[in-house]
Amino acid sequence: DAKTTQPPSMDCAEGRAANLPCNHSTISGNEYVYWYRQIHSQGPQYIIHGLKNNETNEMASLIITEDRKSSTLILPHATLRDTAVYYCIVRSLSNDYKLSFGAGTTVTVRA
Amino acid sequence: DSGVTQTPKHLITATGQRVTLRCSPRSGDLSVYWYQQSLDQGLQFLIQYYNGEERAKGNILERFSAQQFPDLHSELNLSSLELGDSALYFCASRGLAGGTNTGELFFGEGSRLTVL
Repeated sequence: DAKTTQPPSMDCAEGRAANLPCNHSTISGNEYVYWYRQIHSQGPQYIIHGLKNNETNEMASLIITEDRKSSTLILPHATLRDTAVYYCIVRSLSNDYKLSFGAGTTVTVRA
Repeated sequence: DSGVTQTPKHLITATGQRVTLRCSPRSGDLSVYWYQQSLDQGLQFLIQYYNGEERAKGNILERFSAQQFPDLHSELNLSSLELGDSALYFCASRGLAGGTNTGELFFGEGSRLTVL
């Protein structure tokens, strides 16, 4: 699976959009981009995933660049409960869905 | 609530001892994944089972073993425990959702093991 690079931390104001970048310059054509988050030692929680098109669900939006070398997770209206470690993961279809977690981005939402 | 149940939530034991962690996957899910999260290592994949068979191995020590039973619950056995085995142990399951497979894993709340 391709490696990902994320900033170690970022702050966000409550009620504002949080834009979390992820670099995956070595991604290959059959690899998906997944985002998970972990709130203070709870189990990781699935947020969203995509292949090449932008995706949106009730939690977030995922914007993938045309060359697929980077992506941005957007939390449209961050709340204090969104404070968590966010993991960007690239997964190929051939690895039977196991995920390799990096260090992630620690997002702190401030009132 | 992810639907994945792990027991016990907390466990304190001594070095050299053996413990068993249990995981019940979401109803109908055939795959179970075990992860270890320690302070200095992050989330590390240990092992995966699919319908009772071992499917993939990650950074699992020889002192650790796992199995998945016919009712699909899984157990992770940790023996000859060392101080460094203190960690959160997560179980996750994955299954087919509505006929399409999105590949998302559903994680339990974890078992926190403290070795003294």
